[in-house]
Amino acid sequence: EAEVAQSPRYKITEKSQAVAFWCDPISGHATLYWYRQILGQGPELLVQFQDESVVDDSQLPKDRFSAERLKGVDSTLKIQPAELGDSAMYLCASSPNRAHTDTQYFGPGTRLTVL
Amino acid sequence: AQKITQTQPGMFVQEKEAVTLDCTYDTSDPSYGLFWYKQPSSGEMIFLIYQGSYDQQNATEGRYSLNFQKARKSANLVISASQLGDSAMYFCASQGNNDMRFGAGTRLTVKP
Repeated sequence: EAEVAQSPRYKITEKSQAVAFWCDPISGHATLYWYRQILGQGPELLVQFQDESVVDDSQLPKDRFSAERLKGVDSTLKIQPAELGDSAMYLCASSPNRAHTDTQYFGPGTRLTVL
Repeated sequence: AQKITQTQPGMFVQEKEAVTLDCTYDTSDPSYGLFWYKQPSSGEMIFLIYQGSYDQQNATEGRYSLNFQKARKSANLVISASQLGDSAMYFCASQGNNDMRFGAGTRLTVKP
């Protein structure tokens, strides 16, 4: 069964350092999402790609976060510099397209701890 | 904009019994989808069930069913014959024209 892959699964870093997360969506899925989930809350969208284009990054803190999906397949989310408040689970999801009927399938997530 | 409300922070159920997890939503989109996800302690969000806003019948997937009441804007998840492995966080979500919004979740604990 096709799955969304993410790496690393866990990351511990010190504040002011740079971190990067990688996501490989289900093959053929045009839409890719990055979410941040703070402990005890539901996931919140950071950025949404349709193929290689960003369609929504309104909630992405652009002073320190960046995301790319250069060839419209896998994607990288970067934080530089990391802050204590960035400690969270970062989830990647993909769907066939952006229709409201399309199910989003999630990867295992990257649990980030900033010390 | 969409808003999802899950009013039960935690629920307990005896093994083999049924349990209902509540979800209400508020959306201005004319068409939307409603989803339930399970998140075990490992962190992965597992898709459980989907209901379209124009679907006439309630969705079912194995032991999961979605009690959809459009006029009340509710989309409750019913889990029948609970198993110990059902212990997890459960999230309700609504997807409209732009994005998917999640509720705060309900932690379900199944007692042996």
